Amino acid sequence: EADIYQTPRYLVIGTGKKITLECSQTMGHDKMYWYQQDPGMELHLIHYSYGVNSTEKGDLSSESTVSRIRTEHFPLTLESARPSHTSQYLCASSDGLAGGGETQYFGPGTRLLVL
Amino acid sequence: SQQGEEDPQALSIQEGENATMNCSYKTSINNLQWYRQNSGRGLVHLILIRSNEREKHSGRLRVTLDTSKKSSSLLITASRAADTASYFCATASGGSNYKLTFGKGTLLTVNP
Repeated sequence: EADIYQTPRYLVIGTGKKITLECSQTMGHDKMYWYQQDPGMELHLIHYSYGVNSTEKGDLSSESTVSRIRTEHFPLTLESARPSHTSQYLCASSDGLAGGGETQYFGPGTRLLVL
Repeated sequence: SQQGEEDPQALSIQEGENATMNCSYKTSINNLQWYRQNSGRGLVHLILIRSNEREKHSGRLRVTLDTSKKSSSLLITASRAADTASYFCATASGGSNYKLTFGKGTLLTVNP
């Protein structure tokens, strides 16, 4: 089991509300990622971070923002939730092994429903 | 843009049978990984194969990589009901080993 945690696991919220999805890992990994996944579909990378104070947008455009103030914490914020944001959000981390590929460790995900 | 594409989209077999899933990709890769996702959960890493490797084994899993055909296969032998899950291939390409592009996945159902 990976030591990466996401809260809340489920969130139902009204349109226009500000929400923050939490992600924490205790493995000391320097790289962290946020993916968006609709049911039965592939994962799309929306944000990633290679270390503290480093954040980049992913391949899928997203209205969300992220921050990386501490190594272990990578929260995702939506300033004004809309029904189109309804999806599952998965957080992952990796330890940046040199000389080869990367294994990513995933949290259990947050299922977001915006009414 | 989608890099990996799994085939078939869904597969239903009986316990004890072997399951084979395929993944095709479009551009040159640094490595290819397979992940498993149980319904509504996060992904779990299964196996990684590098671009200079052709075959890798891990327990009941066997992965092959054919870079000339830009394809990979995942074989699960002697399947169990607990193997029921979605299986995704993910590729790292270009200048990064860290950014992964996932395929749409194969939903495997193993019937008891």
